[in-house]
Amino acid sequence: EAQVTQNPRYLITVTGKKLTVTCSQNMNHEYMSWYRQDPGLGLRQIYYSMNVEVTDKGDVPEGYKVSRKEKRNFPLILESPSPNQTSLYFCASSQSVAGTYEQYFGPGTRLTVT
Amino acid sequence: GNSVTQMEGPVTLSEEAFLTINCTYTATGYPSLFWYVQYPGEGLQLLLKATKADDKGSNKGFEATYRKETTSFHLEKGSVQVSDSAVYFCALAAGNFNKFYFGSGTKLNVKP
Repeated sequence: EAQVTQNPRYLITVTGKKLTVTCSQNMNHEYMSWYRQDPGLGLRQIYYSMNVEVTDKGDVPEGYKVSRKEKRNFPLILESPSPNQTSLYFCASSQSVAGTYEQYFGPGTRLTVT
Repeated sequence: GNSVTQMEGPVTLSEEAFLTINCTYTATGYPSLFWYVQYPGEGLQLLLKATKADDKGSNKGFEATYRKETTSFHLEKGSVQVSDSAVYFCALAAGNFNKFYFGSGTKLNVKP
């Protein structure tokens, strides 16, 4: 089954304790993204990757890091989490379909930073 | 710049009622337009899309028409069901690698 998986689905942590949220896709997609979803703000892009070893900042990259060492994986790293990073996070992957990119989303990771 | 504005919710309807969720956009160039649906506890799923002006996207009884003259992509369904209760996001993709821009989402509640 074609899918994007994220782990963990739920995470409660404390300020300053480094964490990683994993993302993996089995569709051989080149393009992957991380978004955060906050009430009233929709989804905002954190980082994206066009291919292995190629990443770039999205709209809200501060406080986050990513890496793309393999095509299928795109982990999101919070080196020193803060309470304002409490949010719902989604990973997505996409590939061009007749010139249009369709995004496939993971199930989400709900992060709470106390 | 690129942006999407959609009507605020929640929208509450009775089963079999007609649904419209408004979406307007601002974009440079010729974006592709999408509606995504998010059911409780799940990620976003593509509902329908349109890639050029006057295209109509449709799926599961939902429709939306790409209106360049009014920069709109309103979502409609003739008869909603309780199972349609979800959050609906309008989005556009534009620029290099078709970067996505999402609206803030509209929650739909359908009552039996």
